[in-house]
Amino acid sequence: DADVTQTPRNRITKTGKRIMLECSQTKGHDRMYWYRQDPGLGLRLIYYSFDVKDINKGEISDGYSVSRQAQAKFSLSLESAIPNQTALYFCATSDSSNRGDIQYFGAGTRLSVL
Amino acid sequence: GNSVTQMEGPVTLSEEAFLTINCTYTATGYPSLFWYVQYPGEGLQLLLKATKADDKGSNKGFEATYRKETTSFHLEKGSVQVSDSAVYFCALSDPAGTGGFKTIFGAGTRLFVKA
Repeated sequence: DADVTQTPRNRITKTGKRIMLECSQTKGHDRMYWYRQDPGLGLRLIYYSFDVKDINKGEISDGYSVSRQAQAKFSLSLESAIPNQTALYFCATSDSSNRGDIQYFGAGTRLSVL
Repeated sequence: GNSVTQMEGPVTLSEEAFLTINCTYTATGYPSLFWYVQYPGEGLQLLLKATKADDKGSNKGFEATYRKETTSFHLEKGSVQVSDSAVYFCALSDPAGTGGFKTIFGAGTRLFVKA
């Protein structure tokens, strides 16, 4: 079983719809992150959370929100999806007890907004 | 702010060729440096890491040396295989101001290895 699980793996939605991408982990890590990947732009950080009560904006948080429901769960919401949010989304975790600078990634969610 | 620049791809090589993927960084302080690899249909995974100047990270035949004087962390492998075909990301750790780290990634370099 994957240590960092993202659901769904693929999603097609329409402009204006609200959608949620979910991430759960069994690694016992305290820190979680959401990124989007676009061709030629690498990975850009959307939001990150260093513990259940901590939520921080990344470089491209506009149009997104997150919820850290438990140490193991971190969901990303698009309140009103738009076509330029079409991308590959990754959840990642890290462990503060081990310096916390190595990231462990899920397999990704491919989102298409029509 | 801190940033990472890596060579554009794609890079196409024949099996057993020598690989270099260039990476330079801009940072204040002394960040850790990383190479991550993304195989088709998968998430990124750590390939190697170096935490201070002159450190050499190595894994699976890949190597990279932390060069503070040239702010570089170039990835090398002496003899690539078809199974090395993937996207490679250079990255650095960026203090988040709350005791943790964010990671800043380069744009990625796609490698194709032909049999």
